Amino acid sequence: QVQLQESGPGLVKPSETLSLSCTVSGGSITSYSWSWIRQTPGRGLEWIGHIYTTGSTNYNPSLKSRVTISVDTSKNQLSLKLDSVTAADTAVYYCARRIYSSGYSYWFDPWGQGTLVTVSS
Amino acid sequence: DIQLTQSPSSLSASVGDRVTITCRASHSISSYLNWYQQKPGKAPKLLIYAASSLQSGVPSRFSGSGSGTDFTLTISSLQPEDFVTYYCQQSYSSPPTFGGGTKVEIK
Repeated sequence: QVQLQESGPGLVKPSETLSLSCTVSGGSITSYSWSWIRQTPGRGLEWIGHIYTTGSTNYNPSLKSRVTISVDTSKNQLSLKLDSVTAADTAVYYCARRIYSSGYSYWFDPWGQGTLVTVSS
Repeated sequence: DIQLTQSPSSLSASVGDRVTITCRASHSISSYLNWYQQKPGKAPKLLIYAASSLQSGVPSRFSGSGSGTDFTLTISSLQPEDFVTYYCQQSYSSPPTFGGGTKVEIK
């Protein structure tokens, strides 16, 4: 079964770039679409963006100007870059597989365990 | 963005109780609604997709219903491991959004 594991720095300075990786095991990363989602006590669960099997991406408009999601097929890894971070970007970041069914129906399963990123000087 | 409002935000119940959680969408989303369970310190886990389909491996005491703007997650007989937090999520329009969560606590 597919398993996901996030990794990356737990502390990022304000104005710098947050960079996370998500290693996919138990399946090929090229077979599915993938998403990043973050969670904070104040804003709850917030979708960051998807990357589709075609390599095309779709980002949350609230973050679109700062986000890049990509895939490294040689490493079976998904990555997230978020530029110009502030304290408001402090969150637990999750990667998740996006399962598409039909029409507008899709869901996130499974999720990685999540990684806490704190933005602070 | 489509807003999802969950109610109640928390509830107290006992083992064996039947519990219903509601998720209301700000616009009609047909049946494009999913439910997740989150245990403390863990990632959300998919319970129900497309409003009423039970994810493989999820106990049958969980069920979902609804369409349009009003949805429910029902736990027919609460078990000790069910006292955690539940979220709804819509996929009808982008960006996908989540409800604020419902925490089920032991009475």
